[in-house]
Amino acid sequence: EVQLVESGGGLVQPGGSLRLSCAASGFTFSSYSMNWVRQAPGKGLEWVSYISSSSSTIYYADSVKGRFTISRDNAKNSLYLQMNSLRDEDTAVYYCARDTPSGSYYVDYWGQGTLVTVSS
Amino acid sequence: QSALTQPPSASGSPGQSVTISCTGTSSDVGGYNYVSWYQQHPGKAPKLMIYEVSKRPSGVPDRFSGSKSGNTASLTVSGLQAEDEADYYCSSYAGSNIHYVFGTGTKVTVL
Repeated sequence: EVQLVESGGGLVQPGGSLRLSCAASGFTFSSYSMNWVRQAPGKGLEWVSYISSSSSTIYYADSVKGRFTISRDNAKNSLYLQMNSLRDEDTAVYYCARDTPSGSYYVDYWGQGTLVTVSS
Repeated sequence: QSALTQPPSASGSPGQSVTISCTGTSSDVGGYNYVSWYQQHPGKAPKLMIYEVSKRPSGVPDRFSGSKSGNTASLTVSGLQAEDEADYYCSSYAGSNIHYVFGTGTKVTVL
């Protein structure tokens, strides 16, 4: 069974930093590209970042470019999101999301999410 | 990149059908056959319901169907059931740098 478990969320002041983690199990993590997707309270889904299986390709949404860094450790079956210079508008539930295998484009599995609250 | 446009709400009685639209541009919905749909119940993670415009993952009832015409995709839920009451989001591949764009979301109410 595919499992994605996020951790690392919490309350942080504007301008602060936080590192999110996602522990993957039930599949060969090193073979899959991964994403972070967020959802502000009461709002819709927003794609944040993508990383290929080998970390050779990385993309960011314009809203986080230059502030967030996605990375992965295939030996530890883990995905990360380093978030710096946090703003009020970064407050959201952050989901770790698995990309379908190469040849198509969609998210097939989601974690339960971790809440990040940016507030003074 | 702007979000795809969905109606805020849709409703139907049990047994009826409801169709949700998802309007994008030629750079996303109209440019690729990579439209997917997700169901999200309150406080839960999204669940994949449709991928590649009209394909259903294993375990998703055939009451759910998808289609696309030009820059607009649609999700139809036939034979509405109480458990179908949820938020629904469309998504489209939007090219390498942007990767995915999501819809604004539609709340489906079963009357």
